[in-house]
Amino acid sequence: KAGVTQTPRYLIKTRGQQVTLSCSPISGHRSVSWYQQTPGQGLQFLFEYFSETQRNKGNFPGRFSGRQFSNSRSEMNVSTLELGDSALYLCASSSGRGTGAYEQYFGPGTRLTVT
Amino acid sequence: DAKTTQPPSMDCAEGRAANLPCNHSTISGNEYVYWYRQIHSQGPQYIIHGLKNNETNEMASLIITEDRKSSTLILPHATLRDTAVYYCIVTSRGSNYKLTFGKGTLLTVNP
Repeated sequence: KAGVTQTPRYLIKTRGQQVTLSCSPISGHRSVSWYQQTPGQGLQFLFEYFSETQRNKGNFPGRFSGRQFSNSRSEMNVSTLELGDSALYLCASSSGRGTGAYEQYFGPGTRLTVT
Repeated sequence: DAKTTQPPSMDCAEGRAANLPCNHSTISGNEYVYWYRQIHSQGPQYIIHGLKNNETNEMASLIITEDRKSSTLILPHATLRDTAVYYCIVTSRGSNYKLTFGKGTLLTVNP
């Protein structure tokens, strides 16, 4: 089975711009979660999508948004970029069925640098 | 979710067992213990999880104390490629899609 893929792997943007990151989950997985990792704050949960619906949301401003398509692929968007948005953005997929104990499989991440 | 406490760093000799402790004294009955690791600049990798029984898979063993207030991840024969930050996470069923990562333990395997 192919793993979780994220595109692009690296991105450089300027303050004020917006950016869209993409995540393709493992085949058959319906849950996609997004995380932000910075040296100062560590790994922080952004949001989770299941069957095209946002099911959980972390404590991030509204500039961070996402969506999920019918094939479970997901995108996250950050508008009006700030220097502090420079981070490694990770997505993770899971089967997401019911309320069982399921592991998440992470992609390699997208390294975003805001200048 | 219950909080976890892990030592910031540990060393282990290559070929020896690495025993990584985790304290989760406020864990509740429906919460699972998960272990993930992150090798530098890569995405985290799932290792193992358990509820109250000890668990073993091809990567590691998880030992949970009877009172469930602490656990130990065991890598039986550590290699240099096991050098990584190891995260112990406690989360309830249905919340395992929004993991709360602490600072973890940096395990350095030395030749």
